[in-house]
Amino acid sequence: KAGVTQTPRYLIKTRGQQVTLSCSPISGHRSVSWYQQTPGQGLQFLFEYFSETQRNKGNFPGRFSGRQFSNSRSEMNVSTLELGDSALYLCASSLLQGGYNEQFFGPGTRLTVL
Amino acid sequence: GNSVTQMEGPVTLSEEAFLTINCTYTATGYPSLFWYVQYPGEGLQLLLKATKADDKGSNKGFEATYRKETTSFHLEKGSVQVSDSAVYFCALSPPGGGATNKLIFGTGTLLAVQP
Repeated sequence: KAGVTQTPRYLIKTRGQQVTLSCSPISGHRSVSWYQQTPGQGLQFLFEYFSETQRNKGNFPGRFSGRQFSNSRSEMNVSTLELGDSALYLCASSLLQGGYNEQFFGPGTRLTVL
Repeated sequence: GNSVTQMEGPVTLSEEAFLTINCTYTATGYPSLFWYVQYPGEGLQLLLKATKADDKGSNKGFEATYRKETTSFHLEKGSVQVSDSAVYFCALSPPGGGATNKLIFGTGTLLAVQP
């Protein structure tokens, strides 16, 4: 069974631009979560989706948004990029909702903002 | 609020040495607890988990026991290998987390095993 895939793997953008990252969950998984990983702040929860609905959101500004499609694929968008948005963005999928469910992480998208 | 504290790294060990990485948590109620591992250039992989007090999670020689009285979930391995070199994250899923997959992570501990 194919794992979680994220595209692109690497991105370089300049301040003020916007970016869209994509995540394809494991086949059959309906829950997708996003995390930002930085050396200073560690792993921080961005948001999660289940059956096309945002179920939970972390403490990030409104420039960070996301959505989930009917096939469970998810995208996240960051508008008006800032230098501090440089990070590894990780997507995780799970069959169901519920903290005890195992989540499977993708390899991440490395975003560099210049 | 809910939080996870884990020991600072890096932890440098010789092959076959005993490993302990400390993890303590703060939560109201009983969270589920996890250890994830991240190898260079990769995403996170679930190493082991425990969903209730006194549960012991184990996988690939690693073990951790959910200790409610000390709010801890320390990771241990009896004999580490060079291939265990990675960053290890302790995480919790908030109590009553039936409606969310949100995880709260510790800062991560880099383990370097030397031959």
